[in-house]
Amino acid sequence: AQTVTQSQPEMSVQEAETVTLSCTYDTSENNYYLFWYKQPPSRQMILVIRQEAYKQQNATENRFSVNFQKAAKSFSLKISDSQLGDTAMYFCAFMRPRGSNYKLTFGKGTLLTVNP
Amino acid sequence: EPEVTQTPSHQVTQMGQEVILRCVPISNHLYFYWYRQILGQKVEFLVSFYNNEISEKSEIFDDQFSVERPDGSNFTLKIRSTKLEDSAMYFCASSAGQGPRGLYGYTFGSGTRLTVV
Repeated sequence: AQTVTQSQPEMSVQEAETVTLSCTYDTSENNYYLFWYKQPPSRQMILVIRQEAYKQQNATENRFSVNFQKAAKSFSLKISDSQLGDTAMYFCAFMRPRGSNYKLTFGKGTLLTVNP
Repeated sequence: EPEVTQTPSHQVTQMGQEVILRCVPISNHLYFYWYRQILGQKVEFLVSFYNNEISEKSEIFDDQFSVERPDGSNFTLKIRSTKLEDSAMYFCASSAGQGPRGLYGYTFGSGTRLTVV
């Protein structure tokens, strides 16, 4: 079974600074996807960024970028120019497409607080 | 942008009662999911559903749980006899599968907060 580990239960950063959230995963598969989801206090699940395992290039979305190290099974999220609205729980998730099933396996999350 | 709609947003029920949580997936999506998040904990997979049958279910999804797509638009999760430990946020999600360009969408609803008293 796949596992996703987020080793930082909580982190904080000053507004406008950069922060990196860690995620490691365990799989023997070669074809998979990795995701970062943001969950603000409203508890909605918002997709931040996605990475396909077959792509060597790291995904970027505006202020959000990932460092995908396939051999090390590491998938960290970097948030640049942190904003107060980035305060949320961040979940790393793994998906191994198989047949008609695309279930996500989540890590335990990192609570990020952006301080003014 | 298309949305996954869940109703109600919050439901309070007495222990032992049946509850039905409702979801309207994105119209051209074919794969449907339920996840659960107990307060302060991680999001856990419950069940995936495709072509009117369950693709996979987790250990959490025991005989008290069932899913249905009764009319081609709604996707429901039923809990037959609720327990205190069923109190959680329940998320519905839908996706369009994958193709040559990779994964086609995976969208979560805003969740139903179930409180069992």
